[in-house]
Amino acid sequence: EPEVTQTPSHQVTQMGQEVILRCVPISNHLYFYWYRQILGQKVEFLVSFYNNEISEKSEIFDDQFSVERPDGSNFTLKIRSTKLEDSAMYFCASNTQGEQTQYFGPGTRLLVL
Amino acid sequence: GENVEQHPSTLSVQEGDSAVIKCTYSDSASNYFPWYKQELGKRPQLIIDIRSNVGEKKDQRIAVTLNKTAKHFSLHITETQPEDSAVYFCAASKTRNNDMRFGAGTRLTVKP
Repeated sequence: EPEVTQTPSHQVTQMGQEVILRCVPISNHLYFYWYRQILGQKVEFLVSFYNNEISEKSEIFDDQFSVERPDGSNFTLKIRSTKLEDSAMYFCASNTQGEQTQYFGPGTRLLVL
Repeated sequence: GENVEQHPSTLSVQEGDSAVIKCTYSDSASNYFPWYKQELGKRPQLIIDIRSNVGEKKDQRIAVTLNKTAKHFSLHITETQPEDSAVYFCAASKTRNNDMRFGAGTRLTVKP
């Protein structure tokens, strides 16, 4: 069964550095999402993406964040200048036209020191 | 925006007993309500979902009920087993945006 994949599984970075988290959604899916989960807390919506543009973003998704679909398979989340409070698990998800069920990737655990 | 409240935050049951987790939502336009199970360090896995045109849905030992008028929905797990131990999240979304808003999660422990 096809699955959403994410790389890297773990990323450690220094505060102020840029990080790019990568996701490969399921191949026939058209809608893409990023969520984050701070340790021990709930999953929080960051951004949704469709037709090469952002559909919706939350209050968390400020100017430090950006998303891109650089080619036909990858979907990336960039954090321009990381802060300590960006430490979290970041999940990518995707779904297809007419389907509301979202399928999650395994996540990238980001640690900002 | 949508606000999803989930209770209880922790739930401990004996193996074989039933477990019930409840969620409320604020946006009457929400029409899709999935439940995810998350084991430690793993991705959320969809276990069951319900749409607003349905009041109840069952899949083996798992059932979900939805009360649109009261804006609440519940997860019921019967004949619980130790492998049901995990954190369960409810969520709500609308067709237009489809961004999901999650509840705070319930840590379910099933004691053998």
